[in-house]
Amino acid sequence: EVQLVESGGGLAQPGRSLRLSCAASGFSFNDCAMHWVRQVPGKGLEWVSGISWDSKSLDYVDSVKGRFTISRDNAKNSLYLQMTSLRPEDTAFYFCAKDSQKYYDGSGYFDSWGHGTLVTVSS
Amino acid sequence: SYVVTQPPSVSVAPGQTATIACGGNNIGSKSVHWYQQKPGQAPVLVVHDDSDRPSGIPERFSGSNSGSTATLNISRVEAGDEADYYCQVWDLNSDHVFGGGTKLTVL
Repeated sequence: EVQLVESGGGLAQPGRSLRLSCAASGFSFNDCAMHWVRQVPGKGLEWVSGISWDSKSLDYVDSVKGRFTISRDNAKNSLYLQMTSLRPEDTAFYFCAKDSQKYYDGSGYFDSWGHGTLVTVSS
Repeated sequence: SYVVTQPPSVSVAPGQTATIACGGNNIGSKSVHWYQQKPGQAPVLVVHDDSDRPSGIPERFSGSNSGSTATLNISRVEAGDEADYYCQVWDLNSDHVFGGGTKLTVL
């Protein structure tokens, strides 16, 4: 059974940093691209960032470019999101999602999701 | 940027068919994926690549995509189908794009 467990969320002041982690199990982690998707409570889904199986291809939504960094450690079956210069508008649940494909070419879809971790940015 | 539009809400009586639309410029040329999200839960993939169902998803869930509109149909609607439904596409310039979501209410 595929399991994705996010951690690292919490309360952060504007301008500070947080690092999210996603522990994966139940599938061959190094055979899948991975993503972060966020959701403001009560609002819709927004794709944040994605990374290919080998970390060679990655991308971000414009609103986080230059502030967030996605990475992965295939040896540890883990996905990360380093968030810096946090803004109140970054407040959301952050979901880790597994891509159905290995390569980051847009041909995949999000076939499994974690339960999310809440990030609150407030002074 | 590529924009995907969904109606905010759809209501249907039990046993009837719910139809949820997802509009976008020439969306018929893209692969559309659909996710179901119940309150307090993670999204679940219900249809991928316009009309394919993942294992474990009932045959009552079906999809189609043509022209400027993709559609998710849920036949013989049950109370347990009440949820938010999101369509999603990939666009070369906009990357992964979600529709705003449709709240399905079972009357």
